[in-house]
Amino acid sequence: DGGITQSPKYLFRKEGQNVTLSCEQNLNHDAMYWYRQDPGQGLRLIYYSQIVNDFQKGDIAEGYSVSREKKESFPLTVTSAQKNPTAFYLCASSPPGTGLGTEAFFGQGTRLTVV
Amino acid sequence: GNSVTQMEGPVTLSEEAFLTINCTYTATGYPSLFWYVQYPGEGLQLLLKATKADDKGSNKGFEATYRKETTSFHLEKGSVQVSDSAVYFCALSRATGGFKTIFGAGTRLFVKA
Repeated sequence: DGGITQSPKYLFRKEGQNVTLSCEQNLNHDAMYWYRQDPGQGLRLIYYSQIVNDFQKGDIAEGYSVSREKKESFPLTVTSAQKNPTAFYLCASSPPGTGLGTEAFFGQGTRLTVV
Repeated sequence: GNSVTQMEGPVTLSEEAFLTINCTYTATGYPSLFWYVQYPGEGLQLLLKATKADDKGSNKGFEATYRKETTSFHLEKGSVQVSDSAVYFCALSRATGGFKTIFGAGTRLFVKA
């Protein structure tokens, strides 16, 4: 079945450590996104990528980094520079082109807790 | 800039009650509008969408109409069930300088048996 796979589902790290969240899709989508969700709040865009080897900062990119070496993969690294990294992280992708009604497909999320 | 505003929650209803969750948007041009649903501990799933003015999106008894004159896309359901308890997000997308979806803050719905 096609979809987006995020791993792990739960992740615990010590303060000051970098951590990388995995996101893989087999939907053949060009565009991929990372969002952060905090309790009781909406989704905030961290980074997005429209095509392989290219990505742009979203609204809250500070303290995060990404790479897009393959179409299927868009890993997110939460660095020690991110002041409040504990959150629920969602990866999404959308189909090729920019046609009307193009929806985003989401993974199941990774809950990161920094202690 | 583009933005989405939805009513604050939580919304608590009894089973079989009528549901309305308000959503208004700000955008230039003609965005596509969406409602997504998030069940506890999961990612978001598309519930319904509309791509042009006066379009009605519908799915699983939920519906929403794209109203350009009031820049609104309110979500409605005639009779809610306990299984509808979730967080609902209104969103818009349009292709300007990069294709992005902009989400509202989400509205949590609790349905009591």
